[in-house]
Amino acid sequence: DVKVTQSSRYLVKRTGEKVFLECVQDMDHENMFWYRQDPGLGLRLIYFSYDVKMKEKGDIPEGYSVSREKKERFSLILESASTNQTSMYLCASSLFGLAGGDNEQFFGPGTRLTVL
Amino acid sequence: QQQVKQSPQSLIVQKGGISIINCAYENTAFDYFPWYQQFPGKGPALLIAIRPDVSEKKEGRFTISFNKSAKQFSLHIMDSQPGDSATYFCAANSEGGSNYKLTFGKGTLLTVNP
Repeated sequence: DVKVTQSSRYLVKRTGEKVFLECVQDMDHENMFWYRQDPGLGLRLIYFSYDVKMKEKGDIPEGYSVSREKKERFSLILESASTNQTSMYLCASSLFGLAGGDNEQFFGPGTRLTVL
Repeated sequence: QQQVKQSPQSLIVQKGGISIINCAYENTAFDYFPWYQQFPGKGPALLIAIRPDVSEKKEGRFTISFNKSAKQFSLHIMDSQPGDSATYFCAANSEGGSNYKLTFGKGTLLTVNP
């Protein structure tokens, strides 16, 4: 059974703190993604990685960074948390996929982050 | 710039009715259109997907209708059940040779009343 796990379901941090969100997948997938989900805004891509140590910015990378040192693990870092980063954060993974293939993304359960 | 527009934002249907969610896209390079279903407290999961070489795909009570010329696609849920109550996201693959990025619509909260 495929699985994407996220280190915390709920997290409360203070403004200015450095925050680490961890994601681990056990499917040997090349691609990993970080999204944030906000009511009325859907899923917005923050960063993605298609290989170890490789990363690309998504649609809303400002205020975030990522790290992928091992294939199975993808970390999202908030260098200095702010209240507008209060959100649900979802990690996903998928096979590399060539054009024409099905690129199903498998999602973790999410981390609800509150920044006070 | 929103590349995939989804409507309605919310939908209430009676048990046994038909639920219809619509999406429109702009980028003619898109060639993979999945729908994801998300239950409260869970991450989204792939429900059904279509490619533009067919106009319809059916899996059980769920059907995607695709109109390439209009750049629109829709999800139909027949005989809707309370267990179908969830948030539904349409998506389309983004440009790029490896074809793995998805652009999501903003989601539709479906409530099926018993």
